[in-house]
Amino acid sequence: QVQLKESGPGLVRPSQTLSLTCTVSGASITSGGYYWNWIRQPAGKGLEWIGRIYTSGGTNYNPSLKSRVTITIDMSRNQFSLKLTSVTAADTAVYFCARDYKFDPWGQGILVTISS
Amino acid sequence: QSVLTQPPSASGTPGQRVTISCSGRSSNIGSNTVNWYQHFPGTAPKLLIYRNYQRPSGVPDRFSGSKSGTSASLAINGLQSEDEADYYCAAWDDSLNGHWVFGGGTKLTVL
Repeated sequence: QVQLKESGPGLVRPSQTLSLTCTVSGASITSGGYYWNWIRQPAGKGLEWIGRIYTSGGTNYNPSLKSRVTITIDMSRNQFSLKLTSVTAADTAVYFCARDYKFDPWGQGILVTISS
Repeated sequence: QSVLTQPPSASGTPGQRVTISCSGRSSNIGSNTVNWYQHFPGTAPKLLIYRNYQRPSGVPDRFSGSKSGTSASLAINGLQSEDEADYYCAAWDDSLNGHWVFGGGTKLTVL
């Protein structure tokens, strides 16, 4: 059974870069032709799709975040990663990773707080 | 402001049927399929419905989805107390080179 787990710092300073990694276990990240997503949820708000990456390395990003987001994939480590630059308090959220167009399964989520 | 519009809240008593709507536009729901998720705060969201009405294995058939035009609906039959959660719809939007959009979520209360 495929499982995803997010990891990274829980606190990031304003104007710095948020970096998170999603580790896939139970299957190879290259099998199945899936793409891999990042999604976030600010406290008390709804879900927001950040972007996705294919195993080919191709990416799509949310237009509202595109200028600040980079998603990469490391097939040797069965991981994909998120970088969000120039963060502000508005980027404080629980960040999830999820597989493919069904968004299934999801990781457990990781709370990232932007604060000095 | 979410791209897909859901009612912020819904409620029902045990055994009742409840429906949650999700309204979009031609570039998203009108052109693409809809997924639904159940989310208990503090946990990972769970896929309930994909491709408008398909249920993953393990999801009770009390949950059903439908789509018509630029709107979609999630129906829950035989409401149970454990159904009290937040529900989100999602669809691919073809505008701006394409991106996924979500509804703002509906908090379902079982009275």
